[in-house]
Amino acid sequence: GAVVSQHPSWVICKSGTSVKIECRSLDFQATTMFWYRQFPKQSLMLMATSNEGSKATYEQGVEKDKFLINHASLTLSTLTVTSAHPEDSSFYICSAPITLNTEAFFGQGTRLTVV
Amino acid sequence: LAKTTQPISMDSYEGQEVNITCSHNNIATNDYITWYQQFPSQGPRFIIQGYKTKVTNEVASLFIPADRKSSTLSLPRVSLSDTAVYYCLVGDYNQGGKLIFGQGTELSVKP
Repeated sequence: GAVVSQHPSWVICKSGTSVKIECRSLDFQATTMFWYRQFPKQSLMLMATSNEGSKATYEQGVEKDKFLINHASLTLSTLTVTSAHPEDSSFYICSAPITLNTEAFFGQGTRLTVV
Repeated sequence: LAKTTQPISMDSYEGQEVNITCSHNNIATNDYITWYQQFPSQGPRFIIQGYKTKVTNEVASLFIPADRKSSTLSLPRVSLSDTAVYYCLVGDYNQGGKLIFGQGTELSVKP
C-alpha cells in the first residue's frame, strides 16, 4: 500500500541552527502534503499546506520565515526549521492525502529537540 | 469544518468491546466521518471512514445514526496493543486532504 516516509525520525540540534525534515511519498505522487506539529499530550496542529511547484500555505500564527517548506517534486516535501530555539522542540509529522476527502497517510514523525 | 467532541480518556480491559462516541452536531451534508489511531511517537493511522449507517472492516466498526450528529467507533475484543489515542474527524472532499484534529480520546487497555 501507499507509504509516506519521514526522515529523520529524531534529531537533536543546538539553538540557532537549522534543521531539515524530509517527507516522501514512496509509491504515489502527492501534489499536496501537509505538515503538523504535536506537543506532548496534545493533539496535532496543522502548520501548513505544501504545494508542489508553488508556495506553501501557512496556517494562522505559523511563521513562514521560520518554518520553510519546499515541495520541489511530486514525491518530496521538506520542512526546514530555521534558527531553532528550545520552544521549537516538538514532534513534527507530515501527511499526504489518499482520497479527496479525509483519508490520508502519515509519516512516522520526527522528534526535534533543540538544546 | 465541523467541530468534533470526544471523551478525553477511556479505560478498558483486554477482551472487552470498546465504544468511543464522537459528537459532530454541525456536520454538513457532504461531510464524511473518519477515525484515526495514534500510538506514542508515531504518526496517525487511518482506521475507518463512513458516511451513514454502519461500516465494518477488519479492525473496527463505525456506527452512524440517521441524523449523523454523532458516530461511534467500536473496537471488538481489545488487546493491550490497542492502547492509543483515537481521533474523530469530519470533513468533505473539498478539503483536499487537509485534516483538522480535535483533542482525541486516549484509550488505555489494561490486562
